[in-house]
Amino acid sequence: QSALTQPASVSGSPGQSITISCTGTSSDVGNYNLVSWYQQHPGKAPKLIIYEVNKRPSGVSNRFSGSKSGNTASLTISGVQAEDEADYYCSSYGGSPTLLFGGGTKLTVL
Amino acid sequence: QVQLVQSGAEVKKPGASVKLSCKASGYIFTTNYMHWVRQAPGQGLEWMGVINPSSGSASYSQEFQGRVTMTRDTSTGTVYMELSSLRSEDTAVFYCARACGVDCPHFDYWGQGALVTVSS
Repeated sequence: QSALTQPASVSGSPGQSITISCTGTSSDVGNYNLVSWYQQHPGKAPKLIIYEVNKRPSGVSNRFSGSKSGNTASLTISGVQAEDEADYYCSSYGGSPTLLFGGGTKLTVL
Repeated sequence: QVQLVQSGAEVKKPGASVKLSCKASGYIFTTNYMHWVRQAPGQGLEWMGVINPSSGSASYSQEFQGRVTMTRDTSTGTVYMELSSLRSEDTAVFYCARACGVDCPHFDYWGQGALVTVSS
């Protein structure tokens, strides 16, 4: 199975909302509500920010939200802040034992 | 608190093997699957496989099948990942990542990463 497809980069000004898409297939994103999103700052390990499409772990800002339609999942950051500048990765369960990641999206806060 | 502490950086020659460790603490070792993820320099995340610390059974990505072996030591709460037949493309940071539970496909804790450099 191929990696999930994400835009290479997105940008936004502080206070704006941005959305990152993650496109898979009917065998992964479209077949399971098991999409996760990770935030990674340079030189750091990834951090879970969304799981099971739209659930936030404790301690994650409610500015982060997730959704899914068909084979495409999306991460929305409302009111982007400078600290949100990072790489974002989606992942999806692809049937046992496969787990797929997207190629990553670099968020630049202008 | 949950901690995953990985072994240090390694330098290997092409064709060699590397064995990395990931010591877990702060929770019951056998209640959460453990995954390994590779990240080449400037590149994205790549799932390598998963081990069930309770049974020791492991499943691997087709990309690494035949080259990777994941094991665990329940007495020390440590999982290991051995990658053989190393090539330059294996130069990367390798992370262990704890699944949220048994057979759960998202990772709530990550190790700090271990850089493996493959160079002649």
